[in-house]
Amino acid sequence: NAGVTQTPKFQVLKTGQSMTLQCAQDMNHEYMSWYRQDPGMGLRLIHYSVGAGITDQGEVPNGYNVSRSTTEDFPLRLLSAAPSQTSVYFCASSYLAGARDTQYFGPGTRLTVL
Amino acid sequence: TQLLEQSPQFLSIQEGENLTVYCNSSSVFSSLQWYRQEPGEGPVLLVTVVTGGEVKKLKRLTFQFGDARKDSSLHITAAQPGDTGLYLCAGSNDYKLSFGAGTTVTVRA
Repeated sequence: NAGVTQTPKFQVLKTGQSMTLQCAQDMNHEYMSWYRQDPGMGLRLIHYSVGAGITDQGEVPNGYNVSRSTTEDFPLRLLSAAPSQTSVYFCASSYLAGARDTQYFGPGTRLTVL
Repeated sequence: TQLLEQSPQFLSIQEGENLTVYCNSSSVFSSLQWYRQEPGEGPVLLVTVVTGGEVKKLKRLTFQFGDARKDSSLHITAAQPGDTGLYLCAGSNDYKLSFGAGTTVTVRA
């Protein structure tokens, strides 16, 4: 049982490049979400999914796309990277949505956009 | 603007001292969680509080949910260096979880 895995752990992009951050969980969780963490800002919700085929926007969705074709995987796509997207990205999953259930976080991806 | 305001932002104390971290909001939450995050890792859940006025204890950590379900506190008794980390509160009323900016706690040996 690996929990929540994220790849890559580190990534450097140039402005305008695109990339996909991978997230997978092996706990059969229905709810998955992506956050970004910036100094002094805590974690901010980017996108979330309540099940395969269903996604919705969080607090800061602009510049990011997601899809949920399987229960296990929830990739985050940066369409055209900007320096403002330099951040640490965390994926999380849980059986239920919201604060009534334990959110299991991955180890994070540290992204730098030059 | 943060939906959840945490104070203080930074806290540095000596081993053996007590500390309290606060989480306040103008919104009512159906439940609230506290997480701890260590450098280079994702947050790990400490506790979930659901009922207004609820108090939960986890060894030397005491969590309280305000009667109006708008605020919460985390109290650590006799802090140890292993308590060092970023403490985050999070609340939700639907599918979205909102986090505070966090309190960085440093316990000096």
